[in-house]
Amino acid sequence: KAGVTQTPRYLIKTRGQQVTLSCSPISGHRSVSWYQQTPGQGLQFLFEYFSETQRNKGNFPGRFSGRQFSNSRSEMNVSTLELGDSALYLCASSKLGHTYEQYFGPGTRLTVT
Amino acid sequence: QKEVEQNSGPLSVPEGAIASLNCTYSDRGSQSFFWYRQYSGKSPELIMSIYSNGDKEDGRFTAQLNKASQYVSLLIRDSQPSDSATYLCAVNGGKLIFGQGTELSVKP
Repeated sequence: KAGVTQTPRYLIKTRGQQVTLSCSPISGHRSVSWYQQTPGQGLQFLFEYFSETQRNKGNFPGRFSGRQFSNSRSEMNVSTLELGDSALYLCASSKLGHTYEQYFGPGTRLTVT
Repeated sequence: QKEVEQNSGPLSVPEGAIASLNCTYSDRGSQSFFWYRQYSGKSPELIMSIYSNGDKEDGRFTAQLNKASQYVSLLIRDSQPSDSATYLCAVNGGKLIFGQGTELSVKP
């Protein structure tokens, strides 16, 4: 069974720009969660989508948004990028939701200059 | 108080020894607990999940859960150099909350 895939793997953007990251979950998984990982803050939860609905949200500003499509694929958008948004963005999928086992994709490394 | 706390390490053990990784959590309502392994430059990989008090064994790995003490641990028996990685404890408290991770180094 194919794992979670994320595109692009690496991205360099300029402060003020916006970015869209994509995630395809494991086949049959309906829940997609997004995380930000930085050396200082560790792994922090951004949001979770299940059946195209946002079920849970972390403590991030409104510049961070996401959506999920009917095929369970998900996108995450960050507008008005700041230097502090430089991080590894990880997507994880789960069969039934965040309470269950989540499997991570390889991540997208975003660098904001 | 952090919601999920782990010793940051690094924890260094000789090859063949038992590595013991510990985690405490603050939300008594948490129902599911996970251990992930993350190699440098890679994404976290799920290695153990535990949902009820007691021990759960999978190969060389044993997860232990004590909800009364709000404590989760991971034991790695017969540690190998390939086990050298950062181990992340994750607790479901409405959303999945991760500890900062413990760096494990297994010396040949």
